[in-house]
Amino acid sequence: KQEVTQIPAALSVPEGENLVLNCSFTDSAIYNLQWFRQDPGKGLTSLLLIQSSQREQTSGRLNASLDKSSGRSTLYIAASQPGDSATYLCAVWGVGGSNYKLTFGKGTLLTVNP
Amino acid sequence: DTGVSQNPRHKITKRGQNVTFRCDPISEHNRLYWYRQTLGQGPEFLTYFQNEAQLEKSRLLSDRFSAERPKGSFSTLEIQRTEQGDSAMYLCASTPGSSYEQYFGPGTRLTVT
Repeated sequence: KQEVTQIPAALSVPEGENLVLNCSFTDSAIYNLQWFRQDPGKGLTSLLLIQSSQREQTSGRLNASLDKSSGRSTLYIAASQPGDSATYLCAVWGVGGSNYKLTFGKGTLLTVNP
Repeated sequence: DTGVSQNPRHKITKRGQNVTFRCDPISEHNRLYWYRQTLGQGPEFLTYFQNEAQLEKSRLLSDRFSAERPKGSFSTLEIQRTEQGDSAMYLCASTPGSSYEQYFGPGTRLTVT
């Protein structure tokens, strides 16, 4: 059974700091990995999708990397802003019998202080 | 707005009542998913449709839960005889057949009193 773990559970940083969020998964046989942002009481916004054949994806100040062999992904946020405050969720899309659903971690709650 | 929409956004009900939620996926997305999210947890998979066919149901989906997607367009999730443990955010997502990227709706927040 695929399990996804996100570290740290919560992170508080001053504005302008660069930061890294970590995600690990137990089964390296995945199709892709997706990072989401969730604001309090809201739905999920897709940030980046990394296909299993890729090693990283970039969008603006965000960079996500994927190392399938070690079962790890990182989300790098450059020059953080108070508007980046949210919960960041990592999810993997598996292969075989589970290749149609996402398995999520519990998320990292990020607070960026002005 | 061409995103995934869900109605209602909030629902408060008394224990034992039935509730029904609706999800309208992005047009022409043939895959539709339902997830449940409780406080402090990531979303958990409930069920999946490809067009009108329900292809998988999680063991989380007890006999009190039923989902439909008539004509492969919108979907409904019904919970019968609600229990306090059903209180959660119910999220819907859709995916085009050519992509793995899931697009989520705003969710329906259910509170069972």
